[in-house]
Amino acid sequence: DAGVIQSPRHEVTEMGQEVTLRCKPISGHDYLFWYRQTMMRGLELLIYFNNNVPIDDSGMPEDRFSAKMPNASFSTLKIQPSEPRDSAVYFCASSGTTYEQYFGPGTRLTVT
Amino acid sequence: AQSVTQLGSHVSVSEGALVLLRCNYSSSVPPYLFWYVQYPNQGLQLLLKYTSAATLVKGINGFEAEFKKSETSFHLTKPSAHMSDAAEYFCAVSDRGADKLIFGTGTRLQVFP
Repeated sequence: DAGVIQSPRHEVTEMGQEVTLRCKPISGHDYLFWYRQTMMRGLELLIYFNNNVPIDDSGMPEDRFSAKMPNASFSTLKIQPSEPRDSAVYFCASSGTTYEQYFGPGTRLTVT
Repeated sequence: AQSVTQLGSHVSVSEGALVLLRCNYSSSVPPYLFWYVQYPNQGLQLLLKYTSAATLVKGINGFEAEFKKSETSFHLTKPSAHMSDAAEYFCAVSDRGADKLIFGTGTRLQVFP
């Protein structure tokens, strides 16, 4: 099992640009979570999906952030336009029926 | 509402010493409880979980945790610290049947030779 796959691993972009982060969950998992981790705020849940349907997006900071899950094996988190305060490590995690979440390696986003 | 409190954002121990990382939870129903570890520049990795079986749960790398309902605690221990245990540790809680985990703020463990 390849685990949760995220791409890119590192992203450096300029303020105002669109950023798209990608995630492939573990096959057979029906929950997918997007988190953001910063020194100041720690680990924050942004949004999660069940069977490709968004269940709770209350953690999405503002309208500049959007997430989609077009099928069971792919999800994206998009930031448009990006701002320096969006710099963070973004994690994707997936889980099945046991509530254990399996995390990807993360995408380190730097917005200059 | 569910919540998790990790006492001590930083813990330092000598190699070979006992590791004790504290976690207290608040939940209106019997919870599921988890400990995750995050090594530098990596994602979180599950160490162990409590889901209502034995109250003493053994995990990977020699770690264990004990669920104490009377104290609403789920402290993580390891008898003898190794240098490789240096990492950040997160406690998390989930109401049974709930989808998401509520994470604590994390405890950074330093191990000195």
